[in-house]
Amino acid sequence: KAGVTQTPRYLIKTRGQQVTLSCSPISGHRSVSWYQQTPGQGLQFLFEYFSETQRNKGNFPGRFSGRQFSNSRSEMNVSTLELGDSALYLCASSSPGSGRLTDTQYFGPGTRLTVL
Amino acid sequence: AQSVSQHNHHVILSEAASLELGCNYSYGGTVNLFWYVQYPGQHLQLLLKYFSGDPLVKGIKGFEAEFIKSKFSFNLRKPSVQWSDTAEYFCAVNAGGGGNKLTFGTGTQLKVEL
Repeated sequence: KAGVTQTPRYLIKTRGQQVTLSCSPISGHRSVSWYQQTPGQGLQFLFEYFSETQRNKGNFPGRFSGRQFSNSRSEMNVSTLELGDSALYLCASSSPGSGRLTDTQYFGPGTRLTVL
Repeated sequence: AQSVSQHNHHVILSEAASLELGCNYSYGGTVNLFWYVQYPGQHLQLLLKYFSGDPLVKGIKGFEAEFIKSKFSFNLRKPSVQWSDTAEYFCAVNAGGGGNKLTFGTGTQLKVEL
């Protein structure tokens, strides 16, 4: 199976702009989670989507939003970009199998966002 | 809110040395525990996981971890490291509430010298 794919891999934006990142999960996976990775704060959970519904949300401002489509692909959007939004944004997918609510998450390569 | 502590931020070992990386979490309920590894230039990969059952879990590349509930710990071990184990290691917890929401530790940068 192909792994989690994320596009674009690199992105440069300026303050005040908005950006949309895309994630295609592993085939058959219905849960997609997003994380932000920075040298200062480490890996932080943004939100999770499952069957097109946001199931969990982290402690990020409303400028960070996401959505999931019927084919489980997900996008996240950051509006009014700030310098501090420069980070590696990781997407992870998981399968709901075995009746569990939680399962192993498989990560994509990430999108490196630089805000100037 | 739950938190995860990794005590060693940087570890330097010689090849064939034994490795133990500490991980403690703060959550009193049922947890799912993970160790992920990030090799230079690569994405996060799962090393091993604990959901239930035998508290000693074995993962890929000779790694193992032991879940000690009374100590809220999930330490990672490898009896003999190789140069190719040079990477950053992350402990992560999924604690209650349903769904997939990992809380990560700050990571341990491991360097293995020849």
